[in-house]
Amino acid sequence: EPEVTQTPSHQVTQMGQEVILRCVPISNHLYFYWYRQILGQKVEFLVSFYNNEISEKSEIFDDQFSVERPDGSNFTLKIRSTKLEDSAMYFCASSEGLFEGQGNTEAFFGQGTRLTVV
Amino acid sequence: LAKTTQPISMDSYEGQEVNITCSHNNIATNDYITWYQQFPSQGPRFIIQGYKTKVTNEVASLFIPADRKSSTLSLPRVSLSDTAVYYCLFTGGGNKLTFGTGTQLKVEL
Repeated sequence: EPEVTQTPSHQVTQMGQEVILRCVPISNHLYFYWYRQILGQKVEFLVSFYNNEISEKSEIFDDQFSVERPDGSNFTLKIRSTKLEDSAMYFCASSEGLFEGQGNTEAFFGQGTRLTVV
Repeated sequence: LAKTTQPISMDSYEGQEVNITCSHNNIATNDYITWYQQFPSQGPRFIIQGYKTKVTNEVASLFIPADRKSSTLSLPRVSLSDTAVYYCLFTGGGNKLTFGTGTQLKVEL
């Protein structure tokens, strides 16, 4: 079964450092997403990406965050200057189409990267 | 924005059927109802989606009444491995999923 893969599985970084989280979405998917989940809290939407540009972003996704699809397979999330409150599980997801309810459009999530900022 | 309400937690025993109900009074015409499952330290996983009446797949059934103001996820004969958080979501246009707090299901022997 196709899957979304994320690397690394766990990253520890010092406050103020830049981190790049990497994801390989499912190959025929066109829409890509990043979500995060702070320990014990709900899954929060960060950003969606289609056709090489951001299509929607949440208020969490401020100027410290950026996304990129540098080649045909990778999708990355960069946090420029990490803060303690950025510590969370970051999930990448991809889907074939938009969530318009036609058929069974579903998002496939990766296993996540646990980011710990110290 | 449409909002969902689910029980915070439920307990069950192995072999029993579990029904988790989600309320969504202000669901929009183009919204589909979708359920995801999340195990600890893993990403959410799609379970089932429906618009109205009943949908069944190999893992669950989804019951949606005619007014669509609620939906019930039914898990037949649960096992310990079904212990997880279950989220009821809308997918109705747009390009994001909005997760609520979900229902923590705990299955015991």
